[in-house]
Amino acid sequence: GENVEQHPSTLSVQEGDSAVIKCTYSDSASNYFPWYKQELGKRPQLIIDIRSNVGEKKDQRIAVTLNKTAKHFSLHITETQPEDSAVYFCAARSGAGSYQLTFGKGTKLSVIP
Amino acid sequence: DTAVSQTPKYLVTQMGNDKSIKCEQNLGHDTMYWYKQDSKKFLKIMFSYNNKELIINETVPNRFSPKSPDKAHLNLHINSLELGDSAVYFCASSQERLTNSPLHFGNGTRLTVT
Repeated sequence: GENVEQHPSTLSVQEGDSAVIKCTYSDSASNYFPWYKQELGKRPQLIIDIRSNVGEKKDQRIAVTLNKTAKHFSLHITETQPEDSAVYFCAARSGAGSYQLTFGKGTKLSVIP
Repeated sequence: DTAVSQTPKYLVTQMGNDKSIKCEQNLGHDTMYWYKQDSKKFLKIMFSYNNKELIINETVPNRFSPKSPDKAHLNLHINSLELGDSAVYFCASSQERLTNSPLHFGNGTRLTVT
């Protein structure tokens, strides 16, 4: 089955700096890679996703890059703000009909004002 | 207009009891899931149902029994609760007929077993 490794487990940045979270996956058939943000006491919410036919995707201050050859993908947050503080999860899935997202273990991001 | 709703939000019970968590989605999705999030925040899939049929049944004690009366509902019944069952349980749904449909999570049920 799929195995997703996520690093770092904790990350502290100064407000305004950039944050980068990296994930690797094991199943070369995986073709869907979402990122979820979970604020304290709340549910995980999708913030951005990327499919295997795309190398990079951007949405305002967040971007995700995918390297299929190396089997890794990354989340980039620029101009971080205190409200970006949360736990971020990467995930991977082997395509339609797989029915299962495998999650990384999460990164706790703290943005220091 | 909550898309995925689960009840109760909090559940405190004693060891050995039996409890149920209910989940409903109004997104018209064909697949529903139960995930367990432990104290270390790991999100681990427990079950997946597609059109009321069990698709995924991870290594979960058979004290946990999911039931899907229809596509919009997936309930979780837990027998003989143990201390280690304490966690947050998230229901989720997706539309698997569409390639790579994202998961939509409910707000979670915090189960505390004393």
